[in-house]
Parts: sequence; structure tokens; C-alpha cells
Amino acid sequence: TQLLEQSPQFLSIQEGENLTVYCNSSSVFSSLQWYRQEPGEGPVLLVTVVTGGEVKKLKRLTFQFGDARKDSSLHITAAQPGDTGLYLCARVDNNNDMRFGAGTRLTVKP
Amino acid sequence: DTAVSQTPKYLVTQMGNDKSIKCEQNLGHDTMYWYKQDSKKFLKIMFSYNNKELIINETVPNRFSPKSPDKAHLNLHINSLELGDSAVYFCASSQEAYGYTFGSGTRLTVV
Repeated sequence: TQLLEQSPQFLSIQEGENLTVYCNSSSVFSSLQWYRQEPGEGPVLLVTVVTGGEVKKLKRLTFQFGDARKDSSLHITAAQPGDTGLYLCARVDNNNDMRFGAGTRLTVKP
Repeated sequence: DTAVSQTPKYLVTQMGNDKSIKCEQNLGHDTMYWYKQDSKKFLKIMFSYNNKELIINETVPNRFSPKSPDKAHLNLHINSLELGDSAVYFCASSQEAYGYTFGSGTRLTVV
């Protein structure tokens, strides 16, 4: 049973479009992290969100943590081909126990 | 200077063999992990060690045995390899919950 549900599973868009990917859980988690993984590499941390309602921005990426700390979203503005990759959310609980969602595979076409 | 380094990057071996994957981190982190990523890209935790002590041990066949000689190293030994063990194995480290740093993975192919 997956603790985190990510949607959509696949997303293919044109350069310049905006997009949002979602990460949902049925239970509260202490913190949530977003990672991006490119082929042949390990996941790279983008952001950690801890406080309910928190919003963090990283250039064209906006991360939001739900008020109830059960969900999160990642919004990308004016997507570029370099944004292509696998986006993973991960919940972190006690003992640094981190569990990943299944990921959203994003393709941005030039 | 690579923060988390795994060796080898690729490993092709026959069923029934025993193999090891090594991981080292130079970040001074207290906790290290092994994750398995299957063909559908789902990343699943296998083990975590904090200061050489086993903390998380998921439902993994006992053919998989992690060993942490010191807090900078976490190796994974696999006995009697099976076809289903084929996957990419990632080592990671963290200091508390302040983000994990992953290695670039070891692609294991069992033939």
C-alpha cells in the first residue's frame, strides 16, 4: 500500500505551458519533500515543506503544503525542456523514515 | 568531490551469484539508506542505519544484508541473486530530516 498518491502519473506538455502535479496522503505527515530525478541519476532534493499552508518558491517552481499537512502540490510556470524529469514527493516521518510516491514523469517538448 | 558515491555503477551477474554494492558519503551525515527503484521507477526503502545502528529494516528477503563498518559507509551484500532482484539500487544519506542526498545508483541486472 502506497502512503502517497501522486498525479498525474505522466504529463507531456509544450514549452511555455504551466502545469501542476499533486501529492496526496490519507494521513498527516511531519514534513514533505519534493525531488527531481533525471535518467541515470539519483533523485535531487528540490524543497522541504514542514508547516501547514506553507508556500515555497524556487525560480519558476512553486511548492505548496496543504493546511492539514496531508497534501502538496508543485506548480511550474512556463515550463522548459530542462524541466523534463521524474518528480517525486516523499513524506518524512519518525526515525527519518522517508517514503516516496510513485512519481510524475514530466516531458516538456520544445 | 562526490557527496554520496556508489560502486559499481553497473553490475551484470548470473542467477545464484553473490554480489556486493558499496556506498560512501563524505557529508558527515549520521544516517544512511538503501533504496530500490524498480522498472516502473517506484523507489522503495530497504534499510536505514544511524551511526552504524540498523533503524529501518523493511520486508526485504534475508538474502539482502546491509553492513555499516562506520557511519560514512553502508554496503549491501546480496546472496543467491534472483532475476527479480534486477533493479537500480540507490544509496542515500541524511542529517536528521534536512533533505537526503542520493548516490547516482547501481544498475543491477541478473541474467
